[in-house]
Formats: sequence, structure tokens, C-alpha cells
Amino acid sequence: DAKTTQPTSMDCAEGRAANLPCNHSTISGNEYVYWYRQIHSQGPQYIIHGLKNNETNEMASLIITEDRKSSTLILPHATLRDTAVYYCIATSNFGNEKLTFGTGTRLTIIP
Amino acid sequence: DTGVSQDPRHKITKRGQNVTFRCDPISEHNRLYWYRQTLGQGPEFLTYFQNEAQLEKSRLLSDRFSAERPKGSFSTLEIQRTEQGDSAMYLCASSLEAVSYEQYFGPGTRLTVT
Repeated sequence: DAKTTQPTSMDCAEGRAANLPCNHSTISGNEYVYWYRQIHSQGPQYIIHGLKNNETNEMASLIITEDRKSSTLILPHATLRDTAVYYCIATSNFGNEKLTFGTGTRLTIIP
Repeated sequence: DTGVSQDPRHKITKRGQNVTFRCDPISEHNRLYWYRQTLGQGPEFLTYFQNEAQLEKSRLLSDRFSAERPKGSFSTLEIQRTEQGDSAMYLCASSLEAVSYEQYFGPGTRLTVT
């Protein structure tokens, strides 16, 4: 799996869009980008994944650059409940084998 | 609540004792995973099963650790002769292979070895 690099921490004002970057410069053509988050004292929760096209679901949007070397997770209207650690994972398996988590980005939503 | 349950939620044990954790996955899920998470770190993969078969084990899973999924439903993770370094959150997840790309995580079992 390609190594991913994320900022250690970020703050975002409540109601604003939270943009979480991830670098994966060594990603290979068959590797997907997955995002999970972990709210304090809970297990990780799947958010979204993509290969090369931008993706959107009810939780977030995922923007992947054309060269696929980086991506951004966007939470469009952040709420206090979005305070969590966000993990970006690049993996060639279809999410059904081991996931390699890094240390993630600690996102704090400020009232 | 994801539908994955773990028991117990917390376990305090003395060094040298054996402990066993249980994970009940979402009922139709054929894949089950164990991860370990220490403070300030992301979860680390330990092992996973497809039905009863243990398909992969991490090098983190020393010979003191054993995991089983005897009937392809619930799973147990046993740690023998616990050490203080085993103190961590043990997370279980499940998925339905070839249908779902998402792993559903349980709330974890927090182990403290004194």
C-alpha cells in the first residue's frame, strides 16, 4: 500500500467546510483512496473512497487530483460531531483485506 | 451502533494472566478483522478471517496471541501471559467480501495490563 501523509491536526469553524488534505505521491494505478474517521472512544467509521474520479456521498466529498498524488476530503458544513481523527488510506485491495492506518489528522470543530 | 459487538468493553488484568476477547460481527459478513490501537496511533492490523479460515496474520501477532473463528460467526482473540506492552484497544471489524468495500468496526475492548 502506498504511504500517505496527512497534517497532524486542523481546526475548522462550525458550519464551514472542512478540507482535509492527504498526500499519496507513490500511489499506483490500482490503489484506491479510502477515508475513515474515528470519534473519541469509538471504532473507525468508513466515510468514502475513490479511484480517480471525484466522489460524493451523504457524508462528504472526495477530490482526487488528476495525477492521483493527492486528495482532499471535504466535509461541507462541519458540525461539532465531526470532531474526530481522520485517516486517509491508499490500498490496492477492495477494502476487504487489511487496512493500513497512519496517525491521521485530528480535526477539531470550533463552535 | 454498527452492528459489530465486542465483549468485554474493558479488561484489567495482571501481567502474566491470560485474557480472551470476543467479537460478534454483522451476521451475514464473511470477513472478520482484528486490529490493535495504542494511544495516539492509528489501528494496526493483526489478522483476518474469511469464514473459518484465517487468511493473514501480522508479524505483530506473536505466539502469545491466537485468534479463532470456529463456525465462521463470532471470533475470539486470546492473549497468553500478558505483558504491559499488550495494553491497548483491541478492535474488531467485519465486512461482506465482494459486495462491500467498507469495514464495520466494533467499539473495541480496552485492555489494561498492570
